Amino acid sequence: EAGVAQSPRYKIIEKRQSVAFWCNPISGHATLYWYQQILGQGPKLLIQFQNNGVVDDSQLPKDRFSAERLKGVDSTLKIQPAKLEDSAVYLCASSQWSQETQYFGPGTRLLVL
Amino acid sequence: LAKTTQPISMDSYEGQEVNITCSHNNIATNDYITWYQQFPSQGPRFIIQGYKTKVTNEVASLFIPADRKSSTLSLPRVSLSDTAVYYCLVGVIYQLIWGAGTKLIIKP
Repeated sequence: EAGVAQSPRYKIIEKRQSVAFWCNPISGHATLYWYQQILGQGPKLLIQFQNNGVVDDSQLPKDRFSAERLKGVDSTLKIQPAKLEDSAVYLCASSQWSQETQYFGPGTRLLVL
Repeated sequence: LAKTTQPISMDSYEGQEVNITCSHNNIATNDYITWYQQFPSQGPRFIIQGYKTKVTNEVASLFIPADRKSSTLSLPRVSLSDTAVYYCLVGVIYQLIWGAGTKLIIKP
């Protein structure tokens, strides 16, 4: 079974630039999560999709972050414009349903200069 | 809104049993308790999940008292490769909250 795929693995940008991350969940998984993990901290949930609908985006900074999940499969997370404090690892995870085991991708490490 | 509390770090030695406790005073009736392991530069990996009493799998045990306000992850006979950060996750419907994690260091 293929795992969760993410790209790119690394990204370096300057502040005020925009960036996008892509996630392909495990086939058949209805729930998709985007997390932000700052060095030394636990993952912080940014947004949770159930199929192509958003069920929780309470911690997503909506003035600069956006996410979509087209057709309930792949998902894209965008930051525009980026700030220095956005430097973190962005993790994507998927599960068959909410509260089921989450399977994580390798993450995208973002550095904002 | 459930909040979890874990020790920041723990040390142990190879071959020992390690117990990591997580407090979750406001856990909701329908919430499950899940533990994940994370190595540097990797995403978290599922270890074990439970609702009440005791759950055991091939790598760990999870003990949950009747009031469910805490849980204890038990790792039997740890090895150096168990050095990692361990997270306690309490599932609030549509709001998943992670603890700060416990950095476990296993020494030879």
